[in-house]
Amino acid sequence: DQQVKQNSPSLSVQEGRISILNCDYTNSMFDYFLWYKKYPAEGPTFLISISSIKDKNEDGRFTVFLNKSAKHLSLHIVPSQPGDSAVYFCAARVDNAGNMLTFGGGTRLMVKP
Amino acid sequence: NAGVTQTPKFRVLKTGQSMTLLCAQDMNHEYMYWYRQDPGMGLRLIHYSVGEGTTAKGEVPDGYNVSRLKKQNFLLGLESAAPSQTSVYFCASSSARQPQHFGDGTRLSIL
Repeated sequence: DQQVKQNSPSLSVQEGRISILNCDYTNSMFDYFLWYKKYPAEGPTFLISISSIKDKNEDGRFTVFLNKSAKHLSLHIVPSQPGDSAVYFCAARVDNAGNMLTFGGGTRLMVKP
Repeated sequence: NAGVTQTPKFRVLKTGQSMTLLCAQDMNHEYMYWYRQDPGMGLRLIHYSVGEGTTAKGEVPDGYNVSRLKKQNFLLGLESAAPSQTSVYFCASSSARQPQHFGDGTRLSIL
């Protein structure tokens, strides 16, 4: 039973437009959410995060929105650039000593020039 | 600044062989993790460690063992490799409550 789900395996967007990546979770104990970006043959790199006490966090072109009642978060990239083409993983954490993360299955974003 | 380094990058094993994957971090992080990545399933936690000399099981620990004898190193062992363990393995490290930093992975194929 996947506690974190990314229901869209892939997404294609035109350069300059907005990319919206979605993530749903089932565990109400998750208190912190992260997005990681992964290029081929590389490890995931941290992109942006949000605490459960907030509903929005913005960092440059990247904004993460959290809707706790719907157990849903989304990552917005505006404007999208070809270099944003990668696999994006949503991850969630329960507040415990181990800082363990539960990952979604990933969404492959393709930004077309 | 190397960050998290995984050795080897690629390996092919025969069923029943054993091997050890090495992870080294130079960020003085207390926590270290081993994940496997399979298509469509994201990253799943195998084992983790919250400090030198301590380890714990993650979501998919069966068939793997780990050791953390030094703070900077976290070893993942396969005692008797099985085809189901064909995967890409990622090591990560972090400080408490901080985002995890990942290595570039080890691609392991078991024939």
